[in-house]
Amino acid sequence: QLVLTQSPSASASLGASVKLTCTLSSGHSSYAIAWHQQQPEKGPRYLMKLNSDGSHSKGDGIPDRFSGSSSGAERYLTISSLQSEDEADYYCQTWGTGSVVFGGGTKLTVL
Amino acid sequence: QVQLVQSGAEVKKPGASVKVSCKASGYTFTSYDINWVRQATGQGLEWMGWMNPNSGNTGYAQKFQGRVTMTRNTSISTAYMELSSLRSEDTAVYYCARVVTAIDYWGQGTLVTVSS
Repeated sequence: QLVLTQSPSASASLGASVKLTCTLSSGHSSYAIAWHQQQPEKGPRYLMKLNSDGSHSKGDGIPDRFSGSSSGAERYLTISSLQSEDEADYYCQTWGTGSVVFGGGTKLTVL
Repeated sequence: QVQLVQSGAEVKKPGASVKVSCKASGYTFTSYDINWVRQATGQGLEWMGWMNPNSGNTGYAQKFQGRVTMTRNTSISTAYMELSSLRSEDTAVYYCARVVTAIDYWGQGTLVTVSS
């Protein structure tokens, strides 16, 4: 079964970097995913599509501070030079045969 | 620019149905699937199903089978999601989203409140 696992929370200081993780279930390590950001009281926003080889394509207007990488079944979202507006929920998303799957989301707190 | 503009908030009684619209602009409507996702207050994102606007083919999450219907009107580039037999647990924000493989654009969301 295709499942995405995310840590419920993460925190980092203003101006620092943070790396969020999304783990694909066993047997699905070749899958691409997408990262989405949801700021408080707003709808989700597409950040990027991330392939198993670490290549990624970002959405319109997504700053260079956001980058993605991959290792095995792990997919990462790195945010550098953290700003207050980066405090948000981050969801990973993938797709199987006729279905879409979301991770549970990671709530990022910027200290 | 690509935009998905959804209809306004709805308040429904238990047992009723709701139909949410999603008007697409800035791209060829029939070239990309539309998916629907909902989010209850304080909860994560829950996928409901997909529709191919070109063929009208649909696929629904098992949880919503028999209660959800996704349709479209290609002449006005609009997708619809109708959910029937509403219950209080259906209170949520409903989003339409454009899908290539990843979801790459989201609508602004429509709050549906189910209350007696």
